[in-house]
Amino acid sequence: DAKTTQPTSMDCAEGRAANLPCNHSTISGNEYVYWYRQIHSQGPQYIIHGLKNNETNEMASLIITEDRKSSTLILPHATLRDTAVYYCIVRANYGQNFVFGPGTRLSVLP
Amino acid sequence: GAVVSQHPSWVICKSGTSVKIECRSLDFQATTMFWYRQFPKQSLMLMATSNEGSKATYEQGVEKDKFLINHASLTLSTLTVTSAHPEDSSFYICSGGTGGSPLHFGNGTRLTVT
Repeated sequence: DAKTTQPTSMDCAEGRAANLPCNHSTISGNEYVYWYRQIHSQGPQYIIHGLKNNETNEMASLIITEDRKSSTLILPHATLRDTAVYYCIVRANYGQNFVFGPGTRLSVLP
Repeated sequence: GAVVSQHPSWVICKSGTSVKIECRSLDFQATTMFWYRQFPKQSLMLMATSNEGSKATYEQGVEKDKFLINHASLTLSTLTVTSAHPEDSSFYICSGGTGGSPLHFGNGTRLTVT
């Protein structure tokens, strides 16, 4: 079973920041938080991952709470092309597969 | 970033025939590859884990004689759906990684069995 819980769906206005929450209260000390997204009929696309520090790349920012029990993915300026299902996954390193939950369906509205 | 190429992107076959799906890591060596299946409006479900040069490990409920996985090299894994039936129609996705890096996914293969 997935070790994360996410809202089923969210809406965001185009151009605004999209903040996607994820709860992972049972995360272990050696588990990273990964975010992927899946646009319809495509494979999942890697977005970002982190262990305990906040992370930022060209796609998004990841904010992890100090107790690591939850995190937020931030898309700073959402576009229509960001409409997708976003998956938050916790995973230890090397060799382990990703266990996908249902994710959050983000709809970016014009 | 790392690229995983999956082929074909879609295939239609008749019931009883076999279909092979290829998954290639283009710019990295994938010691481990994972095969997932996704039914409409559902999330990805792991089918099997393949390690280069050894037999695949299948998840509970996945028939290893029906879904043949070969991982003969560090850059190629194949999934063969043998004697396909309409209930095997699904979206099949492979992924690969190296070391502790994020997994990278292929773009999936939509299989329709008529």
